[in-house]
Amino acid sequence: QKEVEQDPGPLSVPEGAIVSLNCTYSNSAFQYFMWYRQYSRKGPELLMYTYSSGNKEDGRFTAQVDKSSKYISLFIRDSQPSDSATYLCAMRGLNSGGGADGLTFGKGTHLIIQP
Amino acid sequence: ETGVTQTPRHLVMGMTNKKSLKCEQHLGHNAMYWYKQSAKKPLELMFVYSLEERVENNSVPSRFSPECPNSSHLFLHLHTLQPEDSALYLCASAKGPNQPQHFGDGTRLSIL
Repeated sequence: QKEVEQDPGPLSVPEGAIVSLNCTYSNSAFQYFMWYRQYSRKGPELLMYTYSSGNKEDGRFTAQVDKSSKYISLFIRDSQPSDSATYLCAMRGLNSGGGADGLTFGKGTHLIIQP
Repeated sequence: ETGVTQTPRHLVMGMTNKKSLKCEQHLGHNAMYWYKQSAKKPLELMFVYSLEERVENNSVPSRFSPECPNSSHLFLHLHTLQPEDSALYLCASAKGPNQPQHFGDGTRLSIL
């Protein structure tokens, strides 16, 4: 079983629609959850960063984490053509050793917003 | 100037060549990372440096050799690569443990 599952899409929706992107994971040690947006020929750009369960809102974006179900979501309201990109979920556990550690990523969902 | 800068943006090399990828961060961060991004696969962590000390080597073949001379610069030295090493190589940095990572735009590497 893969550590992080994410539907690769493509997901195509009309402009103005609410978009729901999701990831499931198997490692119960994951505590930090992120969503990145990646445009073609660019690196991933951090959109949302959350710790443990709950919701976080930033403008048109809302991130939800349900640790009991090992399920995270990103909602985009009033979607725009400029939101067309690949969205990557990422996560990791709590680092208590003082060093840094890397992220575990999903494969990414390719999102297309139709004008 | 962008926070994390990678050079070159594109690199084509033969299997017997030696080349280096460079990453520079202007964010005052203490941790730096190398990731590999291949088509239809998740980003794969390769190396982690914290305060210029390598803290993780994620079972990467020895033909990849990282170097972190100071907290702002990170290199990935390449030699005798294989065609399956063709990918986008991404550098990231973070302020410290449990802090979000910020990525550069990557180097697109093609092995002939």
